[in-house]
Amino acid sequence: EAAVTQSPRNKVAVTGGKVTLSCNQTNNHNNMYWYRQDTGHGLRLIHYSYGAGSTEKGDIPDGYKASRPSQENFSLILELATPSQTSVYFCASGEHRDTQYFGPGTRLLVL
Amino acid sequence: AQKVTQTQTSISVMEKTTVTMDCVYETRDSSYFLFWYKQTASGEIVFLIRQDSYKKENATEGHYSLNFQKPKSSIGLIITATQIEDSAVYFCAMRMNTEGADRLTFGKGTQLIIQP
Repeated sequence: EAAVTQSPRNKVAVTGGKVTLSCNQTNNHNNMYWYRQDTGHGLRLIHYSYGAGSTEKGDIPDGYKASRPSQENFSLILELATPSQTSVYFCASGEHRDTQYFGPGTRLLVL
Repeated sequence: AQKVTQTQTSISVMEKTTVTMDCVYETRDSSYFLFWYKQTASGEIVFLIRQDSYKKENATEGHYSLNFQKPKSSIGLIITATQIEDSAVYFCAMRMNTEGADRLTFGKGTQLIIQP
C-alpha cells in the first residue's frame, strides 16, 4: 500500500510569516504533487515534481514555492503567508500512467 | 484545456440500493485516463477505479463499476449494494497521456449520503 505522510497535520500561522509544509513518501515514486482543497473548488494543483531536484508550476502557483531535495521528500513553502492561503493542503505521489496516492492532508489557518 | 465537470453536488439514497454519479470531461487528446477517488469524512482521499480511454470494456472493482461512454465524453461511477460506509465525497479526475509527471484535473466532487 502506498505510504504518503505529511507534517504538520495542523498549522496556525500569522500573516507575513513563513510556512513550510513537508511531505514524505516511501513508495519510491518519481512524481510528487501539492494540491489545495477549498470548498467549491475541489482539488487544485499548486506545484509538482518529476524527481529529485525538479519542481514545476501547477495551475495555481502564485504565492508558493516548492522544493524536492530527494526522491522521498517534497516541501511546499509559503514565504509570506496570507489569509487567502488558509486551506487544506494535500501531497500526493505517483508513477507514470499510474494513479496518485494521497497523504492525509494539512489544515493551514493563516491569521 | 482539460475540464472535468460533476454536475451533481449531492445525492442521497437508501442503503443497499444502486447509485450512479455523473462525470463529463473535455479533452482534445485521443488517449487519456479517467479516475474516481473517494474522500471520507476524515479527509482521507482514496483511489477507487480507473478507465483507460483506449479500452472498450467498462472497468469494475468490487462493488464499483464505470459506465464509460466515449462519444459522450462521460464516465459515470456506479456503486451497487450501497453501504453506510460509502457515504463520502466522490471526485472524478482525468489525466492526459503525456510523458513526464502526470497531471490530474479534478471535478468539484459529488457528496453521496447513504441513508439507513
